Amino acid sequence: AQKVTQAQTEISVVEKEDVTLDCVYETRDTTYYLFWYKQPPSGELVFLIRRNSFDEQNEISGRYSWNFQKSTSSFNFTITASQVVDSAVYFCALSVRYGQNFVFGPGTRLSVLP
Amino acid sequence: DGGITQSPKYLFRKEGQNVTLSCEQNLNHDAMYWYRQDPGQGLRLIYYSQIVNDFQKGDIAEGYSVSREKKESFPLTVTSAQKNPTAFYLCASSIGQGHPINTEAFFGQGTRLTVV
Repeated sequence: AQKVTQAQTEISVVEKEDVTLDCVYETRDTTYYLFWYKQPPSGELVFLIRRNSFDEQNEISGRYSWNFQKSTSSFNFTITASQVVDSAVYFCALSVRYGQNFVFGPGTRLSVLP
Repeated sequence: DGGITQSPKYLFRKEGQNVTLSCEQNLNHDAMYWYRQDPGQGLRLIYYSQIVNDFQKGDIAEGYSVSREKKESFPLTVTSAQKNPTAFYLCASSIGQGHPINTEAFFGQGTRLTVV
């Protein structure tokens, strides 16, 4: 079975601070996929990134960066110079090759204060 | 534009009534999913379908029913057997398990159901 843990329930930062959201996953499959989604107050889940298990390269996209470490089963998400518009709930998710569905973590609510 | 459309955005149900939430996608995806989200909580899987005319129960299927008669459509019925249906419902689709690489799931805008 697969499991995703996001230990941080809520985080508050002041604008322009850097913030890291943690994600730890569990799976016995050797081929799997990890995702991050953003859920703004409107409710729709917005896809941010997908990472395959065979690609451990870190990725940077503007102010966003992701650190994937198979050795610790973690896929952490860092926002640099946070902005008020980053305030949302962020979900980490996992799917396995030939798996039936996606497993989501409980989410981390990020509040960026002006 | 390609995407997933859920309707209605807001829905009110009287106790004892069945209601159906619509979900349509034009992404040519094989797989579709229904999730429930309660305030301040994560997503819980209700039902999913990997192919037309086939669907599987998720973690909280009791009190819900679905159909998958067309690839594009995956309606969810909240029956009177669901004792606490007030929640936010999200529909999603993905390319499906038959493909060599799992892509991400794409989500609709959600339906907020309230029992009155």
